[in-house]
Amino acid sequence: GAVVSQHPSWVICKSGTSVKIECRSLDFQATTMFWYRQFPKQSLMLMATSNEGSKATYEQGVEKDKFLINHASLTLSTLTVTSAHPEDSSFYICSARDPAGGSYNEQFFGPGTRLTVL
Amino acid sequence: GDSVTQMEGPVTLSEEAFLTINCTYTATGYPSLFWYVQYPGEGLQLLLKATKADDKGSNKGFEATYRKETTSFHLEKGSVQVSDSAVYFCALSDHGNQFYFGTGTSLTVIP
Repeated sequence: GAVVSQHPSWVICKSGTSVKIECRSLDFQATTMFWYRQFPKQSLMLMATSNEGSKATYEQGVEKDKFLINHASLTLSTLTVTSAHPEDSSFYICSARDPAGGSYNEQFFGPGTRLTVL
Repeated sequence: GDSVTQMEGPVTLSEEAFLTINCTYTATGYPSLFWYVQYPGEGLQLLLKATKADDKGSNKGFEATYRKETTSFHLEKGSVQVSDSAVYFCALSDHGNQFYFGTGTSLTVIP
């Protein structure tokens, strides 16, 4: 099946610094990738939809200048948390659709990145 | 808009007990329905899915039937194991990009 990887799996940073998280589709080309945020013991919240070669579409309430998304190739999307603060600490999960996979609605999820901002 | 309502947890069961986690949905069209499982410290894994009414998704002893008349997609397993301890998310997807997740149900199975 389709595999999505994320790197790093775990990162600790100081307040005020920026952190980049990578999401890769390993065996398929993903024209669309999604970024979610999960708070402890809560469900996933869609942050933005990342489209290859165009600007990301952000959900209401998500600061696009703080969470920069770049989808420069069909297999890679990056999320950069700029000027991170402790309240940005969370579990970030990406997913991707494989339009050639036949299951049009299915998304394949990465293993997640745990960000801790000190 | 579309949404998913999921049984609140946590749920604690003894090994070999019967499991039901309720899930109902609201959708304007004909969505696909999913159950995902999240083990501690990991991302989401697709457990099973159903793409149209009356379809039954099944995997690893888990089953769920897409019931359009009751707008439900309840997850069941006849005999749970300790290794089934995880958080289970019900989700729906319309025919675009959007996925809607339930709040998750934590399951703990004790020996």
